[in-house]
Amino acid sequence: DAGITQSPRHKVTETGTPVTLRCHQTENHRYMYWYRQDPGHGLRLIHYSYGVKDTDKGEVSDGYSVSRSKTEDFLLTLESATSSQTSVYFCAISEGAGGLSYEQYFGPGTRLTVT
Amino acid sequence: GNSVTQMEGPVTLSEEAFLTINCTYTATGYPSLFWYVQYPGEGLQLLLKATKADDKGSNKGFEATYRKETTSFHLEKGSVQVSDSAVYFCALSDTGGADGLTFGKGTHLIIQP
Repeated sequence: DAGITQSPRHKVTETGTPVTLRCHQTENHRYMYWYRQDPGHGLRLIHYSYGVKDTDKGEVSDGYSVSRSKTEDFLLTLESATSSQTSVYFCAISEGAGGLSYEQYFGPGTRLTVT
Repeated sequence: GNSVTQMEGPVTLSEEAFLTINCTYTATGYPSLFWYVQYPGEGLQLLLKATKADDKGSNKGFEATYRKETTSFHLEKGSVQVSDSAVYFCALSDTGGADGLTFGKGTHLIIQP
């Protein structure tokens, strides 16, 4: 199994509070991703990173920001949580270059509830 | 843009039945195609992949063939087990960059003994 951990694994927070989720990898992979999973939507990309300090937006980036100051850590921040951000959040990593197959490996997920 | 369409289910089968989960895609380039599996309470695990037309991916008795002419990547297994009960996701990665996967909505598979 790829060495990916997410913290916290569960969190309940109130509307309007800031929340930071952490993804940590031990594989030294270049690419890291944040997805959210919601019933009826599958997984949707929030943000991704293609290197230290290099990030870009995904399909559902509004209300989220990210930072990557080290290869192994990718942080997702909800500046002011809303009930619509209640979801399960998955981090993924990919080695990237070296071929056409950008397969990704996923962490165990963080279940976030915004009340 | 890219998109993936798959049956959502739930799909309920008896043990030892033949399984097919349909997946079709729309992409601008020549994507790589994946099947992921998610067991209850866990993250997604890569099940199999194919990177070019006519490639067949296989793993744990599951197979899928990349059909460019029908833009499909259907998942099959000859004899399912109760332990195969999970949610299955079809996904694609477009060429030219590692800017994330596009997922289908997932198919919930239930295998009854």
